[in-house]
Amino acid sequence: DAMVIQNPRYQVTQFGKPVTLSCSQTLNHNVMYWYQQKSSQAPKLLFHYYDKDFNNEADTPDNFQSRRPNTSFCFLDIRSPGLGDAAMYLCATSRTQGAFTDTQYFGPGTRLTVL
Amino acid sequence: RKEVEQDPGPFNVPEGATVAFNCTYSNSASQSFFWYRQDCRKEPKLLMSVYSSGNEDGRFTAQLNRASQYISLLIRDSKLSDSATYLCVVNIGSGGSYIPTFGRGTSLIVHP
Repeated sequence: DAMVIQNPRYQVTQFGKPVTLSCSQTLNHNVMYWYQQKSSQAPKLLFHYYDKDFNNEADTPDNFQSRRPNTSFCFLDIRSPGLGDAAMYLCATSRTQGAFTDTQYFGPGTRLTVL
Repeated sequence: RKEVEQDPGPFNVPEGATVAFNCTYSNSASQSFFWYRQDCRKEPKLLMSVYSSGNEDGRFTAQLNRASQYISLLIRDSKLSDSATYLCVVNIGSGGSYIPTFGRGTSLIVHP
């Protein structure tokens, strides 16, 4: 059974056209993360939620926003996608966050193409 | 200096070979370490956590060297199916919380 689900798996958008990616989890984990991964690069953390507490990485562009309406769901909004935003977007969850953070569980990712 | 560094490879080895990867980290206060495997165009999947005393899971052995601030992954008797990118993850302290931080991964190619 899928534990972290991402929709859609593939998203094509036009330059500047807003897009929303979704993530849901059945694990009841407290922490949800959004990563951006470009080809041959490490996943780069954009932001994460601990429950409702939002934590933005310092270098995450303002173009990227997130919402977590409840424990199960988290959304990534890209307000005006540029060509440089084409990437795989990975959602992950973990039970806790701290020095001894639990294992992260990843969704299958959404591959975003910007035309 | 990057917070988590890995040799990107690729490591090209024959079936049956033993291969080892290292991953260095910059934050001496880090407490949690993991190895993930990522297949092409797929999500990372946990391979194993890395414990202070070292741990083994079948053909895979993970070690932690706190003094030198690196973790290692040893794969014995390589299989074709081991071909993938191996990502190390280290929890890096940031403003009172700990952020899972990825290395860029080491590519392994196992050939017949």
